[in-house]
Amino acid sequence: DARVTQTPRHKVTEMGQEVTMRCQPILGHNTVFWYRQTMMQGLELLAYFRNRAPLDDSGMPKDRFSAEMPDATLATLKIQPSEPRDSAVYFCASGLVLAPSYNEQFFGPGTRLTVL
Amino acid sequence: KQEVTQIPAALSVPEGENLVLNCSFTDSAIYNLQWFRQDPGKGLTSLLLIQSSQREQTSGRLNASLDKSSGRSTLYIAASQPGDSATYLCAVRGETSGSRLTFGEGTQLTVNP
Repeated sequence: DARVTQTPRHKVTEMGQEVTMRCQPILGHNTVFWYRQTMMQGLELLAYFRNRAPLDDSGMPKDRFSAEMPDATLATLKIQPSEPRDSAVYFCASGLVLAPSYNEQFFGPGTRLTVL
Repeated sequence: KQEVTQIPAALSVPEGENLVLNCSFTDSAIYNLQWFRQDPGKGLTSLLLIQSSQREQTSGRLNASLDKSSGRSTLYIAASQPGDSATYLCAVRGETSGSRLTFGEGTQLTVNP
């Protein structure tokens, strides 16, 4: 049963600390997405990668957030330094995009981040 | 800028009812529309993906329709069950937005036994 996995599932940290979230996309998927969900803003796309290359990170606060794909089986999202307003659920999703018009995304369970 | 709206925001129905969830989008230049369900504290589960060239998709008791020109989609749930209780989200992928999905706010569905 192929699925996207994310670690940790929950993270509580203090303001100013570095936070690293990890995602393992579904094997064979070539596109990985990072989303953030809050009550106020709903679901927002932060960044996404195609074949490990960043394609769009316009939704990400560049001064403190960074996203990478060290290899095809791992995507990371880092926040340094973290702030209370970063508290949210962070979702990773992956998909196999073979044509411009096809793009089904499969979501992981999320990392619930609380910054005190 | 694409905007996606879902109506109603919340819906409570007795078990066994057929129901319709609505999704509208402002820019009809889309590649596809995807319906998801989200259980409390969980991630999103993809339910149905409709390509812009399609009118509807069916999976079990779920049927999603798409009217691209009018910017509307509906998700029809037949014979609802308490296990259908969740938040349902629709998301569209615009022709000029790469692989970016724009999500609606969701409809929170409660099916009462």
